[in-house]
Amino acid sequence: KQEVTQIPAALSVPEGENLVLNCSFTDSAIYNLQWFRQDPGKGLTSLLLIQSSQREQTSGRLNASLDKSSGRSTLYIAASQPGDSATYLCAVRGNTPLVFGKGTRLSVIA
Amino acid sequence: GAVVSQHPSWVICKSGTSVKIECRSLDFQATTMFWYRQFPKQSLMLMATSNEGSKATYEQGVEKDKFLINHASLTLSTLTVTSAHPEDSSFYICSAAGGKDTQYFGPGTRLTVL
Repeated sequence: KQEVTQIPAALSVPEGENLVLNCSFTDSAIYNLQWFRQDPGKGLTSLLLIQSSQREQTSGRLNASLDKSSGRSTLYIAASQPGDSATYLCAVRGNTPLVFGKGTRLSVIA
Repeated sequence: GAVVSQHPSWVICKSGTSVKIECRSLDFQATTMFWYRQFPKQSLMLMATSNEGSKATYEQGVEKDKFLINHASLTLSTLTVTSAHPEDSSFYICSAAGGKDTQYFGPGTRLTVL
């Protein structure tokens, strides 16, 4: 059964810092991996989707990498801003619907 | 991009009553929809997979008689929480499959059972 773990569970950084969020998964037989953002009490916003054949995806200040063989992904956020404060969820898609990690709660302090 | 809506966005009900939540794909047809539940500070947990015109497939530990799912058309799936109790209070999120690789998520429904 696929399990997704995210570290750290919470992170607080000063504005302007670069930061890395980590995601690991137990079954490397995946189709893709996706990073989402969730604001308190809200739904999900898809940030980046990496297909299993890809190594990374970039969107603006966000860069996500995927190492399928080792079951790991990282989300890199450059020059963090207070508006980046949210919970970031990692999810993997294999032969089942998306399986989610518990998320990393990010606080960017102005 | 594909849009999925949910209605209502929040609902408060008394213990013992039933609540229906709708999930609609607004600009695409979804043969498969998924229902997730999220407790505070927890991850999204898949409850069931709903295929248009057939019975839903429930995840282990999810009571099918308590969480009734109907997927009568390619754009609408409903989740009915029957005889709701306070422990059913949660954030319910649906998603619709827009293809093999992509799930589009609704904005979620906050259910509070008093």
